[in-house]
Amino acid sequence: GQQLNQSPQSMFIQEGEDVSMNCTSSSIFNTWLWYKQDPGEGPVLLIALYKAGELTSNGRLTAQFGITRKDSFLNISASIPSDVGIYFCAGPASNYQLIWGAGTKLIIKP
Amino acid sequence: NAGVMQNPRHLVRRRGQEARLRCSPVKGHSHVYWYRQLPEEGLKFMVYLQKENIIDESGMPKERFSAEFPKEGPSILRIQQVVRGDSAAYFCASSPLDRDEQETQYFGPGTRLLVL
Repeated sequence: GQQLNQSPQSMFIQEGEDVSMNCTSSSIFNTWLWYKQDPGEGPVLLIALYKAGELTSNGRLTAQFGITRKDSFLNISASIPSDVGIYFCAGPASNYQLIWGAGTKLIIKP
Repeated sequence: NAGVMQNPRHLVRRRGQEARLRCSPVKGHSHVYWYRQLPEEGLKFMVYLQKENIIDESGMPKERFSAEFPKEGPSILRIQQVVRGDSAAYFCASSPLDRDEQETQYFGPGTRLLVL
């Protein structure tokens, strides 16, 4: 079945650093979604990408939909403490169920 | 403009009892999805519903689990005779009818079920 490989699994960064994470798939996705989940909360949609090659920003976040439709990356610039959390990539399978990456846990070093 | 609402946020049940989880989608959204999440894992799809119809229940166990999305009122995920392995966070998501954005799902805060 379709799977998303998300990396890195976790990141330890200093406040103010830029962050980059990515997702790859062995099959094509028509939509890529990036979510953030805080402890005890539901995933919150950060960026939705609908077209191959699309580059979209949301504040300090930038995401791109790879031209092959098999990958996507998310960048966070100048990280701040509230960026801590787990970031998930997700894409819809043919029957609309979302397939999820395993998540990237972002931890900011004091 | 309220988002997806779920209640209760936390639910404790003893083995053998029933659990009822409720989800009210974003106003105007006609597609509802239920997911389950174990700690340190991504979400796993359970069921996809439209008003009064189950479209895809391939991720939902055949026994003890059922879901509905009636014409009026919230979507309900029902787990009968709960077992300890049912303990998890259950998330509901909704998406709009518009075909172009139908694949973008908005999530509720989840219901954390603990089976004692």
